[in-house]
Parts: sequence; C-alpha cells; structure tokens
Amino acid sequence: EIELTQSPGTLSLSPGERATLSCRASQSVDNNYLAWYQQTPGQAPRLLIYGASNRATGIPDRFSGSGSGTDFTLTISRLEPEDFAVYYCQQAGSLLKTFGQGTKVEIK
Amino acid sequence: QVHVVQSGAEVKKPGASLKVSCNASGYTFTDYGFSWVRQAPGQGLEWMGWISIFYGDTNYARKFQGRVTLTRDTSTGTVNMELRSLRSDDTAVYYCARESPLAGYPFEYWGQGTPVTVSS
Repeated sequence: EIELTQSPGTLSLSPGERATLSCRASQSVDNNYLAWYQQTPGQAPRLLIYGASNRATGIPDRFSGSGSGTDFTLTISRLEPEDFAVYYCQQAGSLLKTFGQGTKVEIK
Repeated sequence: QVHVVQSGAEVKKPGASLKVSCNASGYTFTDYGFSWVRQAPGQGLEWMGWISIFYGDTNYARKFQGRVTLTRDTSTGTVNMELRSLRSDDTAVYYCARESPLAGYPFEYWGQGTPVTVSS
C-alpha cells in the first residue's frame, strides 16, 4: 500500500495569510490520482481537489493543488475564517487507496 | 440530487459483528462504486475497502482483509459493510463514500457517518 505523509502536522496562521500543505507518497502515484479533502469538526470530509490539481464543483479558487509523482501540495491563497479545518490527502493510484494522516490549519 | 444516508449508531461488545448500511439515491445506483472510510476518535481517516456496484467486485485494505465484507443490494440501492471480531480499537465513526466520474474517482458524496462504540 502507498503510504502518504503530510506535513506539517499543524499550521498556525492568521486569516488572510497563505497556507501551504504538503503530501508526500512512499512511491509514485499513478496518473497523479491524488485528492485533497477538508474536514471540520463533526462533519464528513468534503472533496476539494482531485487529479492533483482540479478543483471540485463549488470549491473557491483560493484553493489550488499542484505536484506530481510523489510530491503534492495544497495551497490556500488567502485564508478565510471557514478554512480553519483539517486537510487530508488521498491517493487512488493503486487499487488499495490510502489517506495521509492530516494537517490541521488553526487560527494563530 | 444525490443523497447518501447511513444507518444509525451502534454499540457492540468485543468479539461481536457489526453491520452498517448506506442507502443511495438520486442517480443510477449501478454507475458508481463505494468506499468505506472510518475515523477513530481524534484520529485521521482510514480507508477500509471498495465495492463496484455494477459487478460486485471488492478490494480491501490489508489491515481489514479477512475481517470485513462489503456487499450491495441493487434492488434497494444499499451498500453494506460487515466487520467481524470487533475490538475496542474498532470504536470509530464509519463513513460510506461514493466515487465520482472524475480523475482518480474521488469521493464526492459522503454519508453522514455512523458512530460505533465497542465496549464490554
């Protein structure tokens, strides 16, 4: 199974600042089938980015994804109050899908 | 409009079996597969397995292989997850998630989650 390692574990930022989240895979993710999800307390995850760089329906353009192979990045250009949450990457390049352990974006 | 609704909370004793159901509507049920994902208290997301609704094929995470079974009932639009030989560390919220016809078939629609407590 492909292992995904997210960094940092926690990111402390202020509204309006830029957030950069990293996701590194233990082996290359086929077809760059890497997705990002946002989860707020008590809620199911919400799809943000798929195929490494494509925004899902209704996702604001301040969210962007990049990367390929084993290194992927989620960028939030200017943090809004509702963006403080936990973010997970997930790979679907192999039959056995896996999630990263998550990055918490908290208010500084 | 797609709706994914899961069965209610469960309390189980160690060694027992668990069955959680997920009912989907608002689209052609056989068009998309489902995955099951769980989240232990204060922890991250953990992928458990996937089922093709059309063919019934399954893939399971190695951690759950032999202990989990996914099934579907195309007549009722229901996907089921059975987990056997429950332990206290199976205490978690269990989610079903429908894939979408996008690159990598990401999980676009999620159930509301089913809290499961395993305790003697």
